Amino acid sequence: DIQVTQSPTSLSASVGDRVTITCRASLTFGSYLNWYQQKPGKAPKLLIHAASTLQSGVPSRFSGSGSGTEFTLTISSLQPEDFATYYCQQTFNAPLTFGQGTRVEIK
Amino acid sequence: EVQLVQSGAEVKKPGESLRISCKDSGYNFTSYWISWVRQMPGKGLEWMGRIDPSDSYTDYNPSFQGHVSISADESIGTAYLQWGSLKASDTAIYFCARHPYYGSSPFTWGHGTLVIVSS
Repeated sequence: DIQVTQSPTSLSASVGDRVTITCRASLTFGSYLNWYQQKPGKAPKLLIHAASTLQSGVPSRFSGSGSGTEFTLTISSLQPEDFATYYCQQTFNAPLTFGQGTRVEIK
Repeated sequence: EVQLVQSGAEVKKPGESLRISCKDSGYNFTSYWISWVRQMPGKGLEWMGRIDPSDSYTDYNPSFQGHVSISADESIGTAYLQWGSLKASDTAIYFCARHPYYGSSPFTWGHGTLVIVSS
């Protein structure tokens, strides 16, 4: 199974900060990686697919990069509505796996 | 707009059986995978398995195989997740998600079904 390790597990940041979340995979798999945002009581929402493609309707302050075994989600200027939990997901092979999640909290 | 409508919350006792559903309101039910994802209280996302509704091929996470069953009824555009004997540890929110066969296969999510198992 491909393990995906997300870091950090939580972070505190202020509005306007630049935030970076990393996902590392146990095997290389190209760009078969997606990023989701989840708010309490809600379903996850797709932000980035194929490692770096911004989903339609998602603000451009979100970006994704990386390939192989290391991937990054960056929020260039954190907004109040961005406080949530973020997950990476590998879809290279089954079982599909999610990172452990990164909780972004208000500083 | 793709919409996955899931069945309502359930409260069951240990040992009881349960089937929850996920209806795809789109027109291409047999052109995508349907996956099920578990989220236990306060925890992360766990992929349970998926089904190809065009031929009912299923693929399970070994962690869940043998405890749950995934099926689909193509005629009504609905996928199901079923338990034969629930445990208290099955208490969770269960999401269905639709995703393409190819590429990075990003998920489009249902709203989730809360299952509570308690004596």
